[in-house]
Amino acid sequence: KQEVTQIPAALSVPEGENLVLNCSFTDSAIYNLQWFRQDPGKGLTSLLLIQSSQREQTSGRLNASLDKSSGRSTLYIAASQPGDSATYLCAVTNQAGTALIFGKGTTLSVSS
Amino acid sequence: DARVTQTPRHKVTEMGQEVTMRCQPILGHNTVFWYRQTMMQGLELLAYFRNRAPLDDSGMPKDRFSAEMPDATLATLKIQPSEPRDSAVYFCASGLNSGAKNIQYFGAGTRLSVL
Repeated sequence: KQEVTQIPAALSVPEGENLVLNCSFTDSAIYNLQWFRQDPGKGLTSLLLIQSSQREQTSGRLNASLDKSSGRSTLYIAASQPGDSATYLCAVTNQAGTALIFGKGTTLSVSS
Repeated sequence: DARVTQTPRHKVTEMGQEVTMRCQPILGHNTVFWYRQTMMQGLELLAYFRNRAPLDDSGMPKDRFSAEMPDATLATLKIQPSEPRDSAVYFCASGLNSGAKNIQYFGAGTRLSVL
């Protein structure tokens, strides 16, 4: 059974710092991996999707990498801002069009 | 701007009452998912449909929960009777089962409190 773990559960950093969020999964036979952002009381916003054949995806200050063989992904946030404060969730799918399996998230707080 | 719409956004009810949550997926999407989020368990799949047919409802307590898609523009999740342990945020997501993108788009959720 696929399990997704995110470390750390919470992270506090000063504005401007570069940071890395970690995600690991137990079964390397994934179809793709997504990183989401969730603001308090809100839904989920997809940030980046990495297909199983890809190594990384970039969007603005965000860069996500995928190492399928080791069952790991990282989300790199450059030059963090207070507006980046949110919970970041990692999720994988094992087959196309199937359900996401989520980690429990990392709650990020960026102070000005 | 296409989005998944969920109603109601908030629901407070008493134990034993029926609760119905509704979801309007993005037009053209053929796959609809229901997830539940709690502090303890995080986000977990309850059920999902493709082309309106249920594919997996293994995450759903069958004795009290039911999920349906009466048509392509509406998905419903019902709880009868509701219990305090059902208090959670229920999310609907929709997507296309095509190719590599396979992105799921989430609604804002229904926050359910069962007293």
